[in-house]
Amino acid sequence: DADVTQTPRNRITKTGKRIMLECSQTKGHDRMYWYRQDPGLGLRLIYYSFDVKDINKGEISDGYSVSRQAQAKFSLSLESAIPNQTALYFCATSPSGARQPQHFGDGTRLSIL
Amino acid sequence: DQQVKQNSPSLSVQEGRISILNCDYTNSMFDYFLWYKKYPAEGPTFLISISSIKDKNEDGRFTVFLNKSAKHLSLHIVPSQPGDSAVYFCGGAGNMLTFGGGTRLMVKP
Repeated sequence: DADVTQTPRNRITKTGKRIMLECSQTKGHDRMYWYRQDPGLGLRLIYYSFDVKDINKGEISDGYSVSRQAQAKFSLSLESAIPNQTALYFCATSPSGARQPQHFGDGTRLSIL
Repeated sequence: DQQVKQNSPSLSVQEGRISILNCDYTNSMFDYFLWYKKYPAEGPTFLISISSIKDKNEDGRFTVFLNKSAKHLSLHIVPSQPGDSAVYFCGGAGNMLTFGGGTRLMVKP
């Protein structure tokens, strides 16, 4: 089983719809992150959480919200999807402490028509 | 403004030769740098890292060099293998991790 699991793996939806992407982990890490990948722009941080009661905005949080339901679960929501949110979304985890590498899920490919 | 830049979108190398992937950064607060490798349909996987107090870190075929005065780091892969074909992301870490846009490496048999 994958240590960091993202669901769904692929999603096509329409403009204006509410979308939730889910992430669960079995690594026991306190820290969780959501990124989006766009061609040529690399991975950009949307939101991050250092523990269940901690939620922080990243570089590009507008249009997104998150929920940390448990240590192992971190979901990303698009309240009203728009076409420029079409991207590849990744969830990642890391242990607490400085300079710990992040471990990524396999991504969710989201297309908004 | 991108704080981490990988100016070469792609690189093609013959099997057995050296691959050199480059990365430039602007944020002087970065004190830790990482390289990730990404295959299609998979998430990025951690490859190698270097602290800002070092100028070189080696792990098998992979070596990362850091030139702080030039705000430049590079990843050397020697010898390159076809299985190294992937997209490589460099990242700089201060309070958070910031990634470059990636370089697609193609190693030809």
